[in-house]
Amino acid sequence: DQQVKQNSPSLSVQEGRISILNCDYTNSMFDYFLWYKKYPAEGPTFLISISSIKDKNEDGRFTVFLNKSAKHLSLHIVPSQPGDSAVYFCAASYNTDKLIFGTGTRLQVFP
Amino acid sequence: EAGVTQFPSHSVIEKGQTVTLRCDPISGHDNLYWYRRVMGKEIKFLLHFVKESKQDESGMPNNRFLAERTGGTYSTLKVQPAELEDSGVYFCASSQTSGRSWDTGELFFGEGSRLTVL
Repeated sequence: DQQVKQNSPSLSVQEGRISILNCDYTNSMFDYFLWYKKYPAEGPTFLISISSIKDKNEDGRFTVFLNKSAKHLSLHIVPSQPGDSAVYFCAASYNTDKLIFGTGTRLQVFP
Repeated sequence: EAGVTQFPSHSVIEKGQTVTLRCDPISGHDNLYWYRRVMGKEIKFLLHFVKESKQDESGMPNNRFLAERTGGTYSTLKVQPAELEDSGVYFCASSQTSGRSWDTGELFFGEGSRLTVL
């Protein structure tokens, strides 16, 4: 049973516009959420995180929003750039060192 | 500073054969993790070493998988005998601090070892 779900396998956005990547989770015990970015033939790299006690965290062009009541988080990228084209993984954790990942969303930013 | 390195980058073997994947963590990192991504699916946790000790091996699929980290440096993950469903990309990750430092992104992943079982 998948505890972290990314229901959109792909997303295409024009350069300069906003990219919104979504993630849903089922386990209310999760207390930390992260987004990782992955380019082809590379390992995932950390992008941004949020604690469950917050509802928003911002880092430059990247903002993560957490809606605990809906068990939903989203990653906003504004403005989107061609270099943002990658697979984005949502991940969550509770009380342990291990991460539980979603299946990923492939973002393509076109000119 | 060298990142997490994994070898081989790609291995193609036949069902029933043995494969050993190696991971060299970032120097000084006590925590070493193995994850796996089967094609198109989520990245799944396999196990976690703290130095040479297995802290959590709850994600290991079955006893065909054996992970070791002798001396607390590099780690190997052996699959014996390999089955078709073992195909995927095996990622190794390392971090320096124990406990969770998610907000600083201290978990570093290698490029992965792609395993294809025919």
